[in-house]
Amino acid sequence: QSVLTQPPSVSAAPGQTVSISCSGSSSNIGNNYVSWYQQLPGTAPRLLIYDNNHRPSGIPDRFSASKSGTSATLDITGLQTGDEADYYCGTWDSSLSAVVFGGGTKVTVL
Amino acid sequence: QVTLRESGPALVKPTQTLTLTCTFSGFSLNTAGMCVSWLRQPPGKALEWLAVIDWDDDKYYNTSLKTRLTISRDTSKNQVVLALTDMDPVDTATYYCARTRNYYYDYYMDVWGKGTTVAVSS
Repeated sequence: QSVLTQPPSVSAAPGQTVSISCSGSSSNIGNNYVSWYQQLPGTAPRLLIYDNNHRPSGIPDRFSASKSGTSATLDITGLQTGDEADYYCGTWDSSLSAVVFGGGTKVTVL
Repeated sequence: QVTLRESGPALVKPTQTLTLTCTFSGFSLNTAGMCVSWLRQPPGKALEWLAVIDWDDDKYYNTSLKTRLTISRDTSKNQVVLALTDMDPVDTATYYCARTRNYYYDYYMDVWGKGTTVAVSS
């Protein structure tokens, strides 16, 4: 079982918006920064969001994220077929002294 | 340009020790805030973080695997090595190394290697 909880899957039609939740606790999300990763089929993950809501250069602004309390959310607007992938949230857990991840969410474009 | 490349055996036997090497370029592990992590992903399953080594040689491990893991670095060769003892078929996975940025207890992986697949079988 993952320390962070994500829905196994979300789906929407092209052009619509999907939101992926990531739930944790005060020892992880509640007091540390959250990052998000995209893993396209058959490829290595890539960083989408760091420090809760910052995009690395090259990441489209269709990807945005927020954090509130012990939960975080990744939003993908203007959904495209190329966005079909697995998405993971991650953060530091101060109680475990370790990086922890969610179980991943599969995004399907209908 | 930052790159990382994982190398190691594709097949190990149960009870053996797996040793993987991450060779990187484009950054220095002596620079404050720079780290290297190892992660893995069993077929069809989620990412799992294994360990990180910091620019000041601090090391942190996945608590479930801590007794089996050792991470080390050779800054002169720009390499980070991960050892995982007592391998079992459930350790079959793609293993990734990733440059990891750190500020206090903020860790995130900003550049990833392509991964190396390791199977455990007799």
